[in-house]
Amino acid sequence: DTGVSQNPRHKITKRGQNVTFRCDPISEHNRLYWYRQTLGQGPEFLTYFQNEAQLEKSRLLSDRFSAERPKGSFSTLEIQRTEQGDSAMYLCASSPKDKNIQYFGAGTRLSVL
Amino acid sequence: SQKIEQNSEALNIQEGKTATLTCNYTNYSPAYLQWYRQDPGRGPVFLLLIRENEKEKRKERLKVTFDTTLKQSLFHITASQPADSATYLCALGAGGFKTIFGAGTRLFVKA
Repeated sequence: DTGVSQNPRHKITKRGQNVTFRCDPISEHNRLYWYRQTLGQGPEFLTYFQNEAQLEKSRLLSDRFSAERPKGSFSTLEIQRTEQGDSAMYLCASSPKDKNIQYFGAGTRLSVL
Repeated sequence: SQKIEQNSEALNIQEGKTATLTCNYTNYSPAYLQWYRQDPGRGPVFLLLIRENEKEKRKERLKVTFDTTLKQSLFHITASQPADSATYLCALGAGGFKTIFGAGTRLFVKA
């Protein structure tokens, strides 16, 4: 297993455009997390899934953000009508059943111009 | 309000010395606390987990303590090496499987 994979690694977009990121977790990990990280800060919780169910979503997440995990395997995070304030590193992590350890991907760096 | 505080100033130490990083929290009652390491441009990597009923945990040169009365965890790296230079993140179990991270402390180990 090669670990958590995120694509793309970098995304540059213009303000107002929609972007979609993909996360492939470690196989058989049933939980999947999305975080946002800005320079000098720790990862900020966005949402998490247990299998295909989205169990919690941060209040900080506006209605422009949506995440899916349709078959309980890979997940996508979409940001609609991007704003400059959305520029950040978006991290995905997965966890095995009944363990609280998270395995992170390398992240997708988003730059909104 | 709920807060997790790590020293925002970088910690500079000499190779061979023990590095001690602090994590304080308020208005949480975490069932566990974790420490992660993050290198520039990479995702965090899990190091240690300590549960609320544990006082101390060790792994090789790493040691973590957890004081639920003081609401504090200390993370120690003994015999530090330049390769230990990184940002170290404290993370709390915030209910269910949700985890909340601190802002991290940068550690620089000089040869």
